[in-house]
Amino acid sequence: DVQLTQSPSFLSASVGDSITLTCRASQDIGTALAWFQQRPGKALKLVIQSASTLQSGVPSSFSGGGSGTEFTLTISYLRPEDFATYYCQQMKEYPITFGQGTRLDIK
Amino acid sequence: EVHLVESGGDFVQVGGSLRLSCATSGFVFNDYYVDWVRQAPGGTLEWIGRIRGKANGYTTEYAAPVRGRFIISRDDSTNSVFLEIKYPKVEDTAMYFCSRSRAGTYVLDSWGQGTQVTVSS
Repeated sequence: DVQLTQSPSFLSASVGDSITLTCRASQDIGTALAWFQQRPGKALKLVIQSASTLQSGVPSSFSGGGSGTEFTLTISYLRPEDFATYYCQQMKEYPITFGQGTRLDIK
Repeated sequence: EVHLVESGGDFVQVGGSLRLSCATSGFVFNDYYVDWVRQAPGGTLEWIGRIRGKANGYTTEYAAPVRGRFIISRDDSTNSVFLEIKYPKVEDTAMYFCSRSRAGTYVLDSWGQGTQVTVSS
């Protein structure tokens, strides 16, 4: 199975900050990676697909990058609604797997 | 507007059975696969399985830990998908989500809000 390791597990930041989250895959998955946002009690929301494609309706402050085994999610200007937990997910092969998540808290 | 709504979560004892439902609306159901994903109390997300549509013979994929105990099915007449859990274990305790992906893309682009399953011994 493809293991996904996210770092950091927890991040504290302020409104207006720029932050970058990392997701590392245990093997080459090309660009078959997505990022999801989960707010408490809410459904998961697709933010980025195919490593760098912004999902419709997601602010342009979000961007994704990387390929192969190393991927990033950058939020260039944090807004209050961006504080949530973020998960990466690979769809290169079965079983589909997720990272353990990065919890982004407001400082 | 796309909607996926899970239901059927409950308290169940080890060795019982449970059937979860995922009611969908707002999109052409036949054009999409539907996946089930669960989230353990600590937050870990685990993919359970997928069912493809009629064009792909309603074929399924399952994660190894649930293969043989979980069964995914769909009813195109009601735009619904079901997850049958047989012989539940304590470790099956989780929030269960359904999500959709357009056939061939594998991108889980819309999710429901989940239904809670609690298994007690």
